[in-house]
Amino acid sequence: EAGVTQFPSHSVIEKGQTVTLRCDPISGHDNLYWYRRVMGKEIKFLLHFVKESKQDESGMPNNRFLAERTGGTYSTLKVQPAELEDSGVYFCASSPSQARRIGAFFGQGTRLTVV
Amino acid sequence: AQSVTQLGSHVSVSEGALVLLRCNYSSSVPPYLFWYVQYPNQGLQLLLKYTTGATLVKGINGFEAEFKKSETSFHLTKPSAHMSDAAEYFCAVSEPGGSYIPTFGRGTSLIVHP
Repeated sequence: EAGVTQFPSHSVIEKGQTVTLRCDPISGHDNLYWYRRVMGKEIKFLLHFVKESKQDESGMPNNRFLAERTGGTYSTLKVQPAELEDSGVYFCASSPSQARRIGAFFGQGTRLTVV
Repeated sequence: AQSVTQLGSHVSVSEGALVLLRCNYSSSVPPYLFWYVQYPNQGLQLLLKYTTGATLVKGINGFEAEFKKSETSFHLTKPSAHMSDAAEYFCAVSEPGGSYIPTFGRGTSLIVHP
């Protein structure tokens, strides 16, 4: 069974540009989460999808960030326009609704560098 | 609200020595607790978890953790460190019956010396 996959693994963009990160969750997992880790700090929650609906987006830093999950499958996180403080590692995770006690499965992350 | 505190951003041990990584949590309900590990250039991997039942839980690679409600702790231990254990370790808490969204600590980098 394929795990959570994220694309790209690394992205370097200039301030003011747009970047789109993609996450493919484990097949059948209704819950999809986005997290971000700024260097040296904790892994912070951004938002949570249940299928295609945003269940909780309280962690989204500002309106430059837009997340979508079309058809309840893969998800994208767009940053437009990117700022220097957006640099960090963006993690995606998924979990099944029926067994959330098993924990969330994480992808390898996308390392975003804004220069 | 839930939160996690990991004491020590870096822990250094010699190969063969005991590994102890500390985690204290705050939760308004009996929590689910997790330890994740991130090896260099890899994603987060679930090491072990506590949900209900036995308070001493065993995970992969010889790690174990004990849930102590009275101390609100979930420290991670391994009797004998290997060089391959060098990685970053994250403790996380989630609240069953609520959103289940895991909240993470800042992480502890484990350094293993030969």
